[in-house]
Amino acid sequence: DGGITQSPKYLFRKEGQNVTLSCEQNLNHDAMYWYRQDPGQGLRLIYYSQIVNDFQKGDIAEGYSVSREKKESFPLTVTSAQKNPTAFYLCASSTPGLTGELFFGEGSRLTVL
Amino acid sequence: EDKVVQSPLSLVVHEGDTVTLNCSYEVTNFRSLLWYKQEKKAPTFLFMLTSSGIEKKSGRLSSILDKKELFSILNITATQTGDSAIYLCAVLYNTNAGKSTFGDGTTLTVKP
Repeated sequence: DGGITQSPKYLFRKEGQNVTLSCEQNLNHDAMYWYRQDPGQGLRLIYYSQIVNDFQKGDIAEGYSVSREKKESFPLTVTSAQKNPTAFYLCASSTPGLTGELFFGEGSRLTVL
Repeated sequence: EDKVVQSPLSLVVHEGDTVTLNCSYEVTNFRSLLWYKQEKKAPTFLFMLTSSGIEKKSGRLSSILDKKELFSILNITATQTGDSAIYLCAVLYNTNAGKSTFGDGTTLTVKP
């Protein structure tokens, strides 16, 4: 079935460590996005990519990095420079030129100990 | 600065009640307004509204957009416990990137 797969679902890390969250889609979507969700808040855009080998910063990109080497994959690295990394991270994809609705993965919950 | 504001932030009702969720926005380069339902993890798409005054309907859920007053409402009639979720409103910008700004969501709890 087509969809978006995020891994891991749960992740614990110590302060000072970098961690990479995986996002893979088989929907043949051009655009992919990373959002962060904190309790009581909506989704805030971290990075997005419209095509392979190109990506742009969202509203809260500091302390994060991404790559887009393949159309299907858009991994997010949470670096030690991110001050408050504990959060729920959602990856999404879309076909902006056609509909604009986002298709989401199941999310990754990162806890920094 | 672009804003999407949802109200109320949380709501508790009993089965059978009707609820109205609100979303107001102030954004440049507006294209569409979308509603999503988030039950546990992945938000799922409900409606996309582009034109004013045209109601979108799906079963007990309906939504409408007012582009003059810059708001949208999501109505749920005859609520059920399965409607308990976070309802997210998002504004889609009129660019090729498909970038969206989300509100903080309304947490709806439906009690039996």
